[in-house]
Amino acid sequence: EIVLTQSPGTLSLSPGERATLSCRASQSVGGNYLAWYQQKPGQAPRLLIYDASNRAAGIPARFGGSGSGTDFTLTISRLEPEDFAVYYCHQCATSPLTFGGGTKVEMK
Amino acid sequence: QITLKESGPTLVKPTQTLTLTCTFSGFSLSTSDVGVAWIRQPPGKALEWLALIYWNDDNQYSPSLRNRLTITKDTSKNQVVLTMTNMDPVDTGTYYCAHTGGWTPDYWGQGSLVTVSS
Repeated sequence: EIVLTQSPGTLSLSPGERATLSCRASQSVGGNYLAWYQQKPGQAPRLLIYDASNRAAGIPARFGGSGSGTDFTLTISRLEPEDFAVYYCHQCATSPLTFGGGTKVEMK
Repeated sequence: QITLKESGPTLVKPTQTLTLTCTFSGFSLSTSDVGVAWIRQPPGKALEWLALIYWNDDNQYSPSLRNRLTITKDTSKNQVVLTMTNMDPVDTGTYYCAHTGGWTPDYWGQGSLVTVSS
């Protein structure tokens, strides 16, 4: 099973700042089939990034994904008020599919 | 557009079997490379992948829950059903179904909160 470790657990930032979230896999994620989701309280997760670096439909350009193999990064270039949420990475390359533990981006 | 909605009991007793139905529209589970996944989330905790069924009836399960889960599809009704046996209070949480086109869950249902309590 591929274990995904997200860091930091919590990121305290102000609107306009840059957010950098990390997702490290215990073994290589084949095909870089790594996705990022945003989840707000009481809502279902929303797909932001798929295949490590492709933005999903309708996702603003301030969200960017990078990385390959075992190290992946989600970057939010300039935080907007609506970006404060929990973010999860998810590998869909190898069964069983797995999620990371999440990073909470909170307002400083 | 693609939509999914989970339905089932909100409260189950320990040792009972949970049956959840995902009813979807906007896609067909007979189309190549399409699948429907189930994911759950205990209150205040992270997402946990449970099971996945593909257009060709291939299915996958979480190893830790494999002996308790069954996923089936009814293509004519546009439904996917997940059953989980021997429910325990630790199984309390929100259960989501999601469309997968290719590999990634992209469209999610709103979720169904299930509480396990006597």
